[in-house]
Amino acid sequence: DAGVTQSPTHLIKTRGQQVTLRCSPISGHKSVSWYQQVLGQGPQFIFQYYEKEERGRGNFPDRFSARQFPNYSSELNVNALLLGDSALYLCASSRTGGASYEQYFGPGTRLTVT
Amino acid sequence: EDQVTQSPEALRLQEGESSSLNCSYTVSGLRGLFWYRQDPGKGPEFLFTLYSAGEEKEKERLKATLTKKESFLHITAPKPEDSATYLCAVQAEAGGTSYGKLTFGQGTILTVHP
Repeated sequence: DAGVTQSPTHLIKTRGQQVTLRCSPISGHKSVSWYQQVLGQGPQFIFQYYEKEERGRGNFPDRFSARQFPNYSSELNVNALLLGDSALYLCASSRTGGASYEQYFGPGTRLTVT
Repeated sequence: EDQVTQSPEALRLQEGESSSLNCSYTVSGLRGLFWYRQDPGKGPEFLFTLYSAGEEKEKERLKATLTKKESFLHITAPKPEDSATYLCAVQAEAGGTSYGKLTFGQGTILTVHP
């Protein structure tokens, strides 16, 4: 089975621009979570979506938003980019939301803001 | 607030030299503790889930254990291909905006020399 896929792999944006990152979960998985990982740190939780509804939200500003589609894929949007948004953005899928099912991560999207 | 602290920050071993990585945590009701391996520039790879104190899981040269306050990842006779960053994460009892959230430590960078 294919794992979690993310696109694009790398992205370079300018301050103030907007970006959209995409994620396709493992087949059969209905929940998608988004994490931000700054170099040298562990991933930080941004959102979890389950059955197209937001179920969890981390301590990120309203510039960050996401949605989940009927096929369970997801998009993460970041508006008004700041230099500090430069990071590896990780998508993780799990069978359901919330319960202690394992979250399987994709390869990530490396975002650089200049 | 849930917290995870990993030690040491970095560990250098000779091939065959066994050792342990530590993950200390504070969480309001543990639902699960997860270990991941992360290679440079890639997404975390799932290794183990532990649910209750006293539980142990093994996979090849790795063994994870759990107490009420910490978890250990024991590496027996490591090989150079075990070199990676090892991440520990906890999931708290679901509630509010933390639904589905994994709280990660900063990771331990393991280097195994031949």
